[in-house]
Amino acid sequence: AQSVTQLDSHVSVSEGTPVLLRCNYSSSYSPSLFWYVQHPNKGLQLLLKYTSAATLVKGINGFEAEFKKSETSFHLTKPSAHMSDAAEYFCVVSDRTGGGNKLTFGTGTQLKVEL
Amino acid sequence: DGGITQSPKYLFRKEGQNVTLSCEQNLNHDAMYWYRQDPGQGLRLIYYSQIVNDFQKGDIAEGYSVSREKKESFPLTVTSAQKNPTAFYLCASSSGGPGLTDTQYFGPGTRLTVL
Repeated sequence: AQSVTQLDSHVSVSEGTPVLLRCNYSSSYSPSLFWYVQHPNKGLQLLLKYTSAATLVKGINGFEAEFKKSETSFHLTKPSAHMSDAAEYFCVVSDRTGGGNKLTFGTGTQLKVEL
Repeated sequence: DGGITQSPKYLFRKEGQNVTLSCEQNLNHDAMYWYRQDPGQGLRLIYYSQIVNDFQKGDIAEGYSVSREKKESFPLTVTSAQKNPTAFYLCASSSGGPGLTDTQYFGPGTRLTVL
């Protein structure tokens, strides 16, 4: 069985400072991993995905994540936070169950960006 | 303009009533999914469909039903048997290709409130 743990339910940063959102996963084989962002009362938008190619993945809006198999981690980072980054972020692991592409979601990290 | 639409955005229902949530996509995707989101939790899979006229139960299918008569449409019915239906419902679709890299794209969601 696969699982995802987002280590912080809330993260608060100042505008212009780095962002780190932590994610650990468990999977019985090499997974695909995703980060999605959700603004209030909106759907989820894909930030980036890891698909067993390069371990450092670059996404939209300046975000990137590094796949570390030895640490079973896939942390999301951004060098400089912007007010528009305030949202909820979900780390997701992919599995194929019964032929379907099943996603397992973390419980989310709420990012607050302060002036 | 390609994408996934969900309607209505907000829905109110009296206890004991069935209600149907709409999901339409024009991305020519084979696979479609329904998720439920509750505060402080990640998304949980209700039903998914990999192809027209076929669908499978997800993790929390009890009290819900779906149909997939057309490739573009995957409506979800919340029945009176669902004990706690108040939630944010998200529809997603993917190309349905093989492997774990098949990315799911999400609609804007429907917020259902039972009065």
